[in-house]
Amino acid sequence: QKEVEQNSGPLSVPEGAIASLNCTYSDRGSQSFFWYRQYSGKSPELIMFIYSNGDKEDGRFTAQLNKASQYVSLLIRDSQPSDSATYLCAVKEAGRRALTFGSGTRLQVQP
Amino acid sequence: DAGVIQSPRHEVTEMGQEVTLRCKPISGHDYLFWYRQTMMRGLELLIYFNNNVPIDDSGMPEDRFSAKMPNASFSTLKIQPSEPRDSAVYFCASSFSQGYNEQFFGPGTRLTVL
Repeated sequence: QKEVEQNSGPLSVPEGAIASLNCTYSDRGSQSFFWYRQYSGKSPELIMFIYSNGDKEDGRFTAQLNKASQYVSLLIRDSQPSDSATYLCAVKEAGRRALTFGSGTRLQVQP
Repeated sequence: DAGVIQSPRHEVTEMGQEVTLRCKPISGHDYLFWYRQTMMRGLELLIYFNNNVPIDDSGMPEDRFSAKMPNASFSTLKIQPSEPRDSAVYFCASSFSQGYNEQFFGPGTRLTVL
């Protein structure tokens, strides 16, 4: 059973701080990795994706991928209360179009 | 551009009744996915289609569940008969084959089976 693991949280950070969200996956053949944000009662919203080792930056968000260690992380700089949500890590396995989702990490940004 | 459209947004039904959920993918997307989300199991894939053809239905929990995609702009997920344990939020998502499989989700249907 392919697994994607996330700490459920809540992860609490003060406004303006850096929030660091982590995810590990079991399938070494996984090809691409996605971070979704889900507000309570809403649908998952794609934030960014990464497929190469290293960092990928988009505004206040940075995704980091280390395939050797099988982990992917999301950094949120200058965290805002509006960033408070559940962040879902998703992994695309080789040869398959579907995504396997982690259970999500709940982030709370304290004003 | 319109996103993924789902209907109804909320459905309350009684055990044993048939439930039909509907989805319209983003125009031009050739992959369509049905997911179910619960507190206990998180977000799990039920089935997905490519060019209207079911590719992987291994996530469909049992024969009570069926899904169809009669054309590129419409898909249904049917539960017959429904049971209380089917209560969940059902999401439809779509993606385009040219790219990195970014999936875009609809607003979901919250199903409650009494």
